[in-house]
Amino acid sequence: GAVVSQHPSRVICKSGTSVKIECRSLDFQATTMFWYRQFPKQSLMLMATSNEGSKATYEQGVEKDKFLINHASLTLSTLTVTSAHPEDSSFYICSARVLAGVETQYFGPGTRLLVL
Amino acid sequence: RKEVEQDPGPFNVPEGATVAFNCTYSNSASQSFFWYRQDCRKEPKLLMSVYSSGNEDGRFTAQLNRASQYISLLIRDSKLSDSATYLCVVNQGGGADGLTFGKGTHLIIQP
Repeated sequence: GAVVSQHPSRVICKSGTSVKIECRSLDFQATTMFWYRQFPKQSLMLMATSNEGSKATYEQGVEKDKFLINHASLTLSTLTVTSAHPEDSSFYICSARVLAGVETQYFGPGTRLLVL
Repeated sequence: RKEVEQDPGPFNVPEGATVAFNCTYSNSASQSFFWYRQDCRKEPKLLMSVYSSGNEDGRFTAQLNRASQYISLLIRDSKLSDSATYLCVVNQGGGADGLTFGKGTHLIIQP
């Protein structure tokens, strides 16, 4: 299947700092990427849809000014958690949409964020 | 509210047995259906798509009932390596992107 990478794989930061997470499609171009968040023992929750060259679409309840998304190229989307707080600690996973036969999504390995 | 409901389990099953999971979804506009597998502290990985006519991939069989908004996964001759959380996933439909995930069913295969 398609390969999606994420960087960093884990990050620990102090409250109030900003953290940038990168999501890359390695062997294909992705016009659409998605950002999800997963709290312990919970399902993945879609945060936003990242579209190359246009503004991201955020799900209800997700603050667009806190979670900045930039999809500047066909292989890279970034999520910046601004002024992170302990409650932002979570597993952040990106995915890229692949249109080949049945549309599906392939996920990056995720980023574990711990805000102290 | 668009939801996907699954029995969280855990399902404790002896190696070699057959096990079945079900899920229901509330969004009638959903058009694409999937089963993903997620191992502990890892990202979800696509196990198989689910087609209206039902489909099989080796030991795994998936079925869809659109009228009842119900999806199933059957695993035959279960292996120890099948131990994982199985996520029922549907697209949001109605022109919206993104996937809606169930909370997953935890499967433990016992030797």
